[in-house]
Amino acid sequence: QSVLTQPPSVSAAPGQKVTISCSGSNSNIGNNYVSWYQQLPETAPKLLIYENNKRPSGIPDRFSGSKSGTSATLGITGLQTGDEADYYCGTWDFSLTTRVFGGGTKLTVL
Amino acid sequence: QVQLQEPGPGLVKPSETLSLTCTVSGGSLSSATSYWSWIRQPPGQGLEWIGYIHYSGSANYNPSLKSRVTILVDTSKNQFSLKLSSVTAADTAVYYCAHYGDRDAFDIWGQGTMVTVSS
Repeated sequence: QSVLTQPPSVSAAPGQKVTISCSGSNSNIGNNYVSWYQQLPETAPKLLIYENNKRPSGIPDRFSGSKSGTSATLGITGLQTGDEADYYCGTWDFSLTTRVFGGGTKLTVL
Repeated sequence: QVQLQEPGPGLVKPSETLSLTCTVSGGSLSSATSYWSWIRQPPGQGLEWIGYIHYSGSANYNPSLKSRVTILVDTSKNQFSLKLSSVTAADTAVYYCAHYGDRDAFDIWGQGTMVTVSS
């Protein structure tokens, strides 16, 4: 069981928008920055969002992040088939004294 | 542009020690704001942080693995390494090395190496 809770899967049609939630607690999301990672099939994860809502250079603005209280959300607009991947949230948990990840969400673009 | 390179896939026998080395290229491992990390992913499962080390030698480990893990740094070779002792089949995973920096995130990842624990 992951400390951060994500839906196992989400799906939407090309061109549409999807959101992926990440739920935690005061010991993790509530008091720390959240980052998001995209893992395309058979590849290493790639940083999409850091410090809750910032994008590294090269990440299109179709990807956005937000945080409210003990939950965070990744948004993807203008869905493309190339966005089909697993998405993970991550942060620090000061009670567990460890970095933690969500269980991952598989995005299917129908 | 910093790149991280792990070795090829490996096989380790149960109860033995898993050893991996990550080579940092295109930049120096000796950055004050960098922490050099190991993360693993069992087949079909999610990500698990193992630990990270600063070039000064200060390390921080996942409490669930702390008794079996050692991460070391070799600044002369621009490498850092992972040792995981007393492995079992549950340690079978793709092992990634990654850079954690002032973005408070893992912003650079190696390609990953598959380690299988089997006799």
